[in-house]
Amino acid sequence: SQELEQSPQSLIVQEGKNLTINCTSSKTLYGLYWYKQKYGEGLIFLMMLQKGGEEKSHEKITAKLDEKKQQSSLHITASQPSHAGIYLCGAGPSGNTPLVFGKGTRLSVIA
Amino acid sequence: GAVVSQHPSRVICKSGTSVKIECRSLDFQATTMFWYRQFPKKSLMLMATSNEGSKATYEQGVEKDKFLINHASLTLSTLTVTSAHPEDSSFYICSARDRRLAVTDTQYFGPGTRLTVL
Repeated sequence: SQELEQSPQSLIVQEGKNLTINCTSSKTLYGLYWYKQKYGEGLIFLMMLQKGGEEKSHEKITAKLDEKKQQSSLHITASQPSHAGIYLCGAGPSGNTPLVFGKGTRLSVIA
Repeated sequence: GAVVSQHPSRVICKSGTSVKIECRSLDFQATTMFWYRQFPKKSLMLMATSNEGSKATYEQGVEKDKFLINHASLTLSTLTVTSAHPEDSSFYICSARDRRLAVTDTQYFGPGTRLTVL
């Protein structure tokens, strides 16, 4: 079965700093999802990557999928307190199958 | 964009009672919906796959008689926690896939339901 490993588990950054979160899969990724969650709340979809080498951006968040499609990174530029939360990567071979999630990365942004 | 709603958002019940949680796709039809459970400070764990018009498929370790799932229509799936106990207290999230979209397209998540069993 597919497993996703996220690193780091938690991250504390100063406001304005850049940061990167990684997600590594035990198998080839056919669809990699990034979500953000405020603790106890539902997931907020950030973006989905499918093609090797693909890169997508949304505001100050950029996600990349490597050429081999086994690793994805999420990069936040000039972090703000609003970026704080838990970032989860999820993967699944198709939309008909449930996603497997990483354990999440807890991000805190301090002023 | 596609919206998935859950009702209620929060529920507190007494031990031994049953609680029903609804998951609705508001502007699309979903032949498949998924139910997840999240434990505090841990990631989501898939509980079951809900298929419209057929029985749900449960993950190993999930009691199907305790967590009843009904996918009666293309826009509604319900999860009933029967004879709830304090250990069932958790955050339950559903997701749905738009049947019109490619199978590789994204799933849409509901906002979640926080269940507290006293």
